[in-house]
Amino acid sequence: QVQLQESGPGLVKPSETLSLTCAVSGYSVSGGYYWGWIRQAPGKGLEWIGSISHNGNIYYNPSLKSRLTMSVDTSKNQFSLKLSSVTAADTAIYYCARGLTIIVVAPFDYWGQGTLVTVSS
Amino acid sequence: EIVLTESPGTLFLSPGERATLSCRASQSVSSSYFAWYQQKPGQAPRLLIYGASSRATGIPDRFSGSGSGTDFTLTIDRLEPEDFAVYYCQQYGSSPVTFGQGTKVQSK
Repeated sequence: QVQLQESGPGLVKPSETLSLTCAVSGYSVSGGYYWGWIRQAPGKGLEWIGSISHNGNIYYNPSLKSRLTMSVDTSKNQFSLKLSSVTAADTAIYYCARGLTIIVVAPFDYWGQGTLVTVSS
Repeated sequence: EIVLTESPGTLFLSPGERATLSCRASQSVSSSYFAWYQQKPGQAPRLLIYGASSRATGIPDRFSGSGSGTDFTLTIDRLEPEDFAVYYCQQYGSSPVTFGQGTKVQSK
């Protein structure tokens, strides 16, 4: 059973960097597939942030690309997200997820439970 | 960027009825790289349909997807109480991956 679990600070100050990690169990991140981040502002819809493959192929949402860094740590079986220069507009539930196939970055068949990140001073 | 517009915004139905949800894309979605998700309050989205018409693992056959190009449909036959939720469409054929704004299926 594939399981994903997000972790990171629940509160980040404006202009600082948001850092989240997604720990994967039940499957090796180096075994293929894309690993993605999706966020959902309170009461709003879903926004794809970006996806990364085990061998370093990375796809970012152009709207966030200048502030984004994603990486994979195969030794810890996890992948990470860093979003710099955050503002209140980055307040959201952040989900990590696994892509269904090795060919395209989506759709997402396994999801973490999500973690709420609030940007506030 | 491909914009996805879902309709209606809210669907009021009773258990046992059929739900028909629509999603229109601003451009043609390549290779039917199209999916539907269900989301209940406080939960992560759940993949229902991918490739426009393939059911994900464990999804009951009362859920079906159809469509191609710019027009896609999710049909839920014989609504069960657990089907009342928000449904999102998604295209993953062009970057960036985009989602629709959601359709809420609410009990009448």
